[in-house]
Amino acid sequence: EAQVTQNPRYLITVTGKKLTVTCSQNMNHEYMSWYRQDPGLGLRQIYYSMNVEVTDKGDVPEGYKVSRKEKRNFPLILESPSPNQTSLYFCASSLGTGGEKLFFGSGTQLSVL
Amino acid sequence: GENVEQHPSTLSVQEGDSAVIKCTYSDSASNYFPWYKQELGKRPQLIIDIRSNVGEKKDQRIAVTLNKTAKHFSLHITETQPEDSAVYFCAAWEDSSYKLIFGSGTRLLVRP
Repeated sequence: EAQVTQNPRYLITVTGKKLTVTCSQNMNHEYMSWYRQDPGLGLRQIYYSMNVEVTDKGDVPEGYKVSRKEKRNFPLILESPSPNQTSLYFCASSLGTGGEKLFFGSGTQLSVL
Repeated sequence: GENVEQHPSTLSVQEGDSAVIKCTYSDSASNYFPWYKQELGKRPQLIIDIRSNVGEKKDQRIAVTLNKTAKHFSLHITETQPEDSAVYFCAAWEDSSYKLIFGSGTRLLVRP
């Protein structure tokens, strides 16, 4: 079954404690991206990756890091989480780099206390 | 960069009626416009998309229209059903930055 798998689904942490949200896709997709969703603001892109070892900033990259060492994995790293990073996070992937048929993971609800 | 505005923010219709959600975009270079449906607690799911070389696309009860000159596109849902209740997002693909720019969403409620 084609899927984008995110872990964990829910995470409660405290300010400053480093965390990683994993994302893995099994569709051999070139393009992967992270979005955060906040009420009234829709979905905003954090980082994206066109291919292995190729990543770039989206609209709201501050406080986040990513890596793309393998084609299937695209983890999101919060080195020192703060309360304003409390949000619902989605990883997404697509076959090509033209944005078509972007497929989303199930989401990670993060709360930073 | 691209900016996408979506209206209305909430929409309530009677079962069987039609629903229309409208979006405008700012970058005339945008050429791909998907619509996503997000049910409560679930991931956004692609329901229909359109490229700028096409004016209209239909898939059963769902249709999307695109007016490139006016830079707006719309989602039309006919014969609405309670299971159509969800938040709908429009989006535009920005080639220059390799990202989808999303509208702020429309919460559709279909009353039985």
